[in-house]
Amino acid sequence: KNQVEQSPQSLIILEGKNCTLQCNYTVSPFSNLRWYKQDTGRGPVSLTIMTFSENTKSNGRYTATLDADTKQSSLHITASQLSDSASYICVVDSGYSTLTFGKGTMLLVSP
Amino acid sequence: NAGVTQTPKFRILKIGQSMTLQCTQDMNHNYMYWYRQDPGMGLKLIYYSVGAGITDKGEVPNGYNVSRSTTEDFPLRLELAAPSQTSVYFCASSYLARGQGTEPSYEQYFGPGTRLTVT
Repeated sequence: KNQVEQSPQSLIILEGKNCTLQCNYTVSPFSNLRWYKQDTGRGPVSLTIMTFSENTKSNGRYTATLDADTKQSSLHITASQLSDSASYICVVDSGYSTLTFGKGTMLLVSP
Repeated sequence: NAGVTQTPKFRILKIGQSMTLQCTQDMNHNYMYWYRQDPGMGLKLIYYSVGAGITDKGEVPNGYNVSRSTTEDFPLRLELAAPSQTSVYFCASSYLARGQGTEPSYEQYFGPGTRLTVT
């Protein structure tokens, strides 16, 4: 069964600090891996999309890494801001009709 | 561009009632999707459409119906609402199908969601 597991489930950090969110997947075949940011009460917004051949991809203060051999990805947030408080969702696309979504990591950035 | 819009934002239904969740996109995307998000769970695909007049079931289609008469609109119909359908519903659209590339237009753009409670 295709699965995407994210850790930690939730995280609290101080404003200005860095953090790393983890994603392990058992989806096959693999087409690409995406990270989304979902603010409370809003729809998910795409941060990055990475294919099999991409090891790292940045979007401002967000940097995603992918190790397709170990089926692991991480999302690193640098110099966190209060506006980074949100749920971060890892999604794996097998190239067929279904995306597999993780449950998300809830990040709270505290002043 | 308004992007993907959904109405209503909130709705409370009684068991057995019916309703239609509206979704409209103004980006001329050919692909559209309906997801549900239950508390503490990942999004699940209900139905999707690859273009006007073409729809297909996703992972959790039971209790729902869709239609796609135009490129812009993709309404989701709930017949005989049940408490198990209490959820947040998201509509999304993309220009290319999943698995066909990683260009920016390949991204799925999500609407703001409809929070539905069935009691």
